[in-house]
Amino acid sequence: GEDVEQSLFLSVREGDSSVINCTYTDSSSTYLYWYKQEPGAGLQLLTYIFSNMDMKQDQRLTVLLNKKDKHLSLRIADTQTGDSAIYFCAVRYSSASKIIFGSGTRLSIRP
Amino acid sequence: DAGITQSPRYKITETGRQVTLMCHQTWSHSYMFWYRQDLGHGLRLIYYSAAADITDKGEVPDGYVVSRSKTENFPLTLESATRSQTSVYFCASSDPGQPDGYTFGSGTRLTVV
Repeated sequence: GEDVEQSLFLSVREGDSSVINCTYTDSSSTYLYWYKQEPGAGLQLLTYIFSNMDMKQDQRLTVLLNKKDKHLSLRIADTQTGDSAIYFCAVRYSSASKIIFGSGTRLSIRP
Repeated sequence: DAGITQSPRYKITETGRQVTLMCHQTWSHSYMFWYRQDLGHGLRLIYYSAAADITDKGEVPDGYVVSRSKTENFPLTLESATRSQTSVYFCASSDPGQPDGYTFGSGTRLTVV
């Protein structure tokens, strides 16, 4: 079946790197996504990676994909208070137009 | 402005009343979705639509009705609201031919008293 799992909480110190992890079950993924949800707002697409890529970097964000282990991660360098949010991992599979979302990881920043 | 808009932003209704949440998108995306977000449950898909006049059930469709007479609109109706339907509702749209996933509205916070 199609399932996407993430840990629920992550706390990091301001200025450190944050690494949010995600695992998924079905190997027929095509695109994998990271969304950010700030309090009281909808989900906003942060970045995505095609399944034939291992890594994608975009300013402070680095996405790593290990397709063999079905593991996706999002690294945020130099974490700032504005990065406090819920981060959702999501996977699109080749046979479907639907995207499967994880439950979200709440990132909190401590001074 | 191009985008996806949901209305109302906040709604309080009484148990048993019918309430409709509106969703409008300006991109002519073929696919549209309704999710609810509850603490501890993440996002749960209620209904989705692949095109005008085509709708299908998601994970938690009971108690909800949708219609899609026009590509740009996808209203969600709670026929007889219950307290368990208190939630934040998100509408989303997508073009499956594009890689950039879903675009979400800002959400409707519904409280059933």
